[in-house]
Amino acid sequence: GAVVSQHPSWVICKSGTSVKIECRSLDFQATTMFWYRQFPKQSLMLMATSNEGSKATYEQGVEKDKFLINHASLTLSTLTVTSAHPEDSSFYICSASEYRFEQYFGPGTRLTVT
Amino acid sequence: KQEVTQIPAALSVPEGENLVLNCSFTDSAIYNLQWFRQDPGKGLTSLLLIQSSQREQTSGRLNASLDKSSGRSTLYIAASQPGDSATYLCAVGESGGSNYKLTFGKGTLLTVNP
Repeated sequence: GAVVSQHPSWVICKSGTSVKIECRSLDFQATTMFWYRQFPKQSLMLMATSNEGSKATYEQGVEKDKFLINHASLTLSTLTVTSAHPEDSSFYICSASEYRFEQYFGPGTRLTVT
Repeated sequence: KQEVTQIPAALSVPEGENLVLNCSFTDSAIYNLQWFRQDPGKGLTSLLLIQSSQREQTSGRLNASLDKSSGRSTLYIAASQPGDSATYLCAVGESGGSNYKLTFGKGTLLTVNP
C-alpha cells in the first residue's frame, strides 16, 4: 500500500518552455502533497506544500509564479515549471500523505533544461 | 530553523563490516525522525521511523537510535553487503503549523566493496 507515482520519470525541455510533472497517490487519498527539489549531492529541499482544494504554501525563496502547483483532487497534484531555464535542472520528488504525520515518496522526475 | 547534518558524507567499507552513520539536528522539538535509502537517480525508500518518545527501532540488520535531547541519531548497519550501497538520508519531522514537515540532511554515500 501507500504507492506514489510520478510522471514523467525524466524530461528534457528547451529553455523558455514550460513543463508539467504529475504526482499521483495510487491506493490512498492524499489530503496533502509535498514537492521537493534535489540538486546533485544536496539534500532534498521542500519547495511547497499543497492541501487538496487549497492554494499551495511555498517555502521561502521559492517563486510561486515560476513553480505552479495544483492539487485539484485527492489523488493528483501537478507541478508546472514555467519558462524553464538551465538552473531549474534538478531532480523533483513529490510525497503524499493521507494522515498528518506521514509522507510517502514518489520515484522522482529528472528535469534537464537545455 | 532546523538544520540536519550527516557525518560522514561518504563511507567505503569492505563487505561484512558493521558500520554507523550519524545524524544530528539543531532543534530537539521534533515529532519523529526517519532514515531513508536513496539509490542513484531514484526516489526514497523509508527504512526506519522513530517517534520522538522512542529510543530506537530495528528492522533486520538495521538499528536506528534517537537521543532527542542531544539532537542525535545513529543508523547501525550490521554485516554490510554490497547491496547496501546507496545514499542514506536522515530526516526530522516537525509539526509545522497545520502541516507536518520533513527536513533532510545531505546524506551519507555508502559503498560496500565485495
